[in-house]
Amino acid sequence: AQSVTQPDIHITVSEGASLELRCNYSYGATPYLFWYVQSPGQGLQLLLKYFSGDTLVQGIKGFEAEFKRSQSSFNLRKPSVHWSDAAEYFCAVGANKLSFGAGTTVTVRA
Amino acid sequence: GAVVSQHPSRVICKSGTSVKIECRSLDFQATTMFWYRQFPKQSLMLMATSNEGSKATYEQGVEKDKFLINHASLTLSTLTVTSAHPEDSSFYICSASGHSTISYEQYFGPGTRLTVT
Repeated sequence: AQSVTQPDIHITVSEGASLELRCNYSYGATPYLFWYVQSPGQGLQLLLKYFSGDTLVQGIKGFEAEFKRSQSSFNLRKPSVHWSDAAEYFCAVGANKLSFGAGTTVTVRA
Repeated sequence: GAVVSQHPSRVICKSGTSVKIECRSLDFQATTMFWYRQFPKQSLMLMATSNEGSKATYEQGVEKDKFLINHASLTLSTLTVTSAHPEDSSFYICSASGHSTISYEQYFGPGTRLTVT
């Protein structure tokens, strides 16, 4: 069975500071991994994805994520957070069917 | 590219009535569409997967007679909530994937907020 764990329910970060969101997955084969962002009342926007190849993946809005097979992790990072990054972030795993983590709410303080 | 729309964005209906939500892929052919439900402050729960021209596959615990899904064309899927009750109030999100998009990548619609009074 496939599953995703996002250990952090809520993270508060100062504008300009770095951000790291944790994601651990369980999957039977080579995982297809995704990070999505959701603003209140909106759908999901894909930030980045990992299928194969380079384990450090670059995404939109200055985000990157690193796939670590030995740790079953796919953590999301951003070096310098902007106020507009305040949102809900979801990690997902799967091929035809996606399983989502519970999400991490990011609050950005001035 | 790979834009998915949903209509309506918000709907309020009376208990006992039915409501239809449309999901359209605007610039690609969606061989597979997915319907999710999201409760406030919670994650997305997959309700069903539909392939064009086939019956939808429902996840365990989802009532197929209550949540009717039709995927009659490669660009349109509909979710009909029949005999809606207040507990059906939720945020419904569709996604689509297809042979013209990157494999296993789902493109999400903006969601539909359903309120049953």
